[in-house]
Amino acid sequence: DAGVTQSPTHLIKTRGQQVTLRCSPKSGHDTVSWYQQALGQGPQFIFQYYEEEERQRGNFPDRFSGHQFPNYSSELNVNALLLGDSALYLCASSFNTFQETQYFGPGTRLLVL
Amino acid sequence: DAKTTQPNSMESNEEEPVHLPCNHSTISGTDYIHWYRQLPSQGPEYVIHGLTSNVNNRMASLAIAEDRKSSTLILHRATLRDAAVYYCILRGHFGGADGLTFGKGTHLIIQP
Repeated sequence: DAGVTQSPTHLIKTRGQQVTLRCSPKSGHDTVSWYQQALGQGPQFIFQYYEEEERQRGNFPDRFSGHQFPNYSSELNVNALLLGDSALYLCASSFNTFQETQYFGPGTRLLVL
Repeated sequence: DAKTTQPNSMESNEEEPVHLPCNHSTISGTDYIHWYRQLPSQGPEYVIHGLTSNVNNRMASLAIAEDRKSSTLILHRATLRDAAVYYCILRGHFGGADGLTFGKGTHLIIQP
């Protein structure tokens, strides 16, 4: 059983560009969450998707948007990239149940120059 | 979400028990205590969680103070593979719909 997979593993962009990151959840999971982890910090919650809708959002600007597809996979889009967007982007999947465990992928390392 | 406080780093020897503390003095009566850990170059992974009673699983034990204002993650016999950042996280009663709030965690160093 494959766990959570993310693509690409690494990415280099320049300021002002747009980027799309992809996530495939663990088999059977219907909920996907995205996190941003700056160097030396804990992950910060960006948003969560369930039933193809954004269900909850952390303290991130509208430049960060997402999508969930009918097969539960998800995309994270970031527009107008800033140097400060350089980070590890983590995807986590789970069942939509009470106090559910979140299973994390290995992340996508984004570098903005 | 209520906040948690953890030491920045701890060091232990291989094959010895490790006690990782977490303070959460503003915890509400319905908050669950979750622990995740992040090994180098990997995403976080679930370790254990509990509400009031002490909990055990194959990875660790969770000891929760009677007043619930603190808890301790116990690794009974640390190995080099347990070197990681350990995060103590509180989750509200309706935790099925919210993201996890990570702090900086405790960087656990295991000496051979």
